[in-house]
Amino acid sequence: AQSVTQLGSHVSVSEGALVLLRCNYSSSVPPYLFWYVQYPNQGLQLLLKYTSAATLVKGINGFEAEFKKSETSFHLTKPSAHMSDAAEYFCAVSEPGGGADGLTFGKGTHLIIQP
Amino acid sequence: DAGVIQSPRHEVTEMGQEVTLRCKPISGHDYLFWYRQTMMRGLELLIYFNNNVPIDDSGMPEDRFSAKMPNASFSTLKIQPSEPRDSAVYFCASSSQPAYGYTFGSGTRLTVV
Repeated sequence: AQSVTQLGSHVSVSEGALVLLRCNYSSSVPPYLFWYVQYPNQGLQLLLKYTSAATLVKGINGFEAEFKKSETSFHLTKPSAHMSDAAEYFCAVSEPGGGADGLTFGKGTHLIIQP
Repeated sequence: DAGVIQSPRHEVTEMGQEVTLRCKPISGHDYLFWYRQTMMRGLELLIYFNNNVPIDDSGMPEDRFSAKMPNASFSTLKIQPSEPRDSAVYFCASSSQPAYGYTFGSGTRLTVV
């Protein structure tokens, strides 16, 4: 079985500061991992994904995430926050070949950018 | 590629009325998912289809909810009768290989008064 834990339902950072959104997973097989972003009144958009290639994954809008197997983590970072980054961020995990169809989502982290 | 198309974008209805939400998946995607999002419960999987067949409907809240996929290019989620607690944003998503991720529609914001 797979699960995802996102630490912090709300994260507030100043514009220009480092963004760090935390995601830990559990999986019975080597997982695939995803970050989705949801802007106000919109659907979820894929930000980046890890599918067993390079452990450091670069996504859109300057975001990146690193898969750390030893820590069962897939934290999302961005060096310098921009006001337009304010959104809800969801981490998700899947188990390719593990017999389960589809993604399991975390509860989401609301990113607030302070001017 | 027009993406996953949902209609309507907004729906306001009175308690007790029937509501039908519609979804057109991306052509070639064999999997279709219906989610509900609320402030209290977050993102919940209601049901998903593979090749037009419902695979897992364990997330459907109660018998008032039903979903169909009559063909590969169309799915509906129906609520009859609707209740105020059904107010939420309903998302449809499709995929060709779910383990590799989904593409979401823009959602339908349902308000039941």
